[in-house]
Amino acid sequence: EDQVTQSPEALRLQEGESSSLNCSYTVSGLRGLFWYRQDPGKGPEFLFTLYSAGEEKEKERLKATLTKKESFLHITAPKPEDSATYLCAVQASSTDKLIFGTGTRLQVFP
Amino acid sequence: KAGVTQTPRYLIKTRGQQVTLSCSPISGHRSVSWYQQTPGQGLQFLFEYFSETQRNKGNFPGRFSGRQFSNSRSEMNVSTLELGDSALYLCASSRTLGNYEQYFGPGTRLTVT
Repeated sequence: EDQVTQSPEALRLQEGESSSLNCSYTVSGLRGLFWYRQDPGKGPEFLFTLYSAGEEKEKERLKATLTKKESFLHITAPKPEDSATYLCAVQASSTDKLIFGTGTRLQVFP
Repeated sequence: KAGVTQTPRYLIKTRGQQVTLSCSPISGHRSVSWYQQTPGQGLQFLFEYFSETQRNKGNFPGRFSGRQFSNSRSEMNVSTLELGDSALYLCASSRTLGNYEQYFGPGTRLTVT
């Protein structure tokens, strides 16, 4: 069964304290892996798409990487405005559907 | 460029009633997907529409249905509402079918009492 697991469920960081969020997946053929950011009361905001192992994408303080079994979202020197829930999703080639993890709730304190 | 819009933003219904939610995609986007988000289950895929046809469907009962119009706007309908249908319903649009670089609307918060 296709599955996406994100860890940790919640993460509290001091401003400037770098860390990584994990997304592990089991799918029957990966078509793509997606990272989204969701602020309270809003819809998810698209961040990155990764298609193959070894691929990396960067945007400001965020960097996403992909291996054959997991993806990491690295946050370098985070700021309070980075506080949000980060969602990972995979698109399985067998079903073409998007399967989301339950997210990591990140809080960055000044 | 205007984002995805959803109406209404909030809705309170009673068990057994039906509800229709509306979504207007970003201009030029032809694919519309619907998701249900709850604290326990997270984001779950409902269905995807492209060129007025349902192209993909999640594991939801037949009470959940949708349609897409020629201008790419979409509606979803839930009949015979149950308490468990209380959730945030999100619409997302993308340029083409199966392209999951999706742009989400703010959602409709449905509460069933």
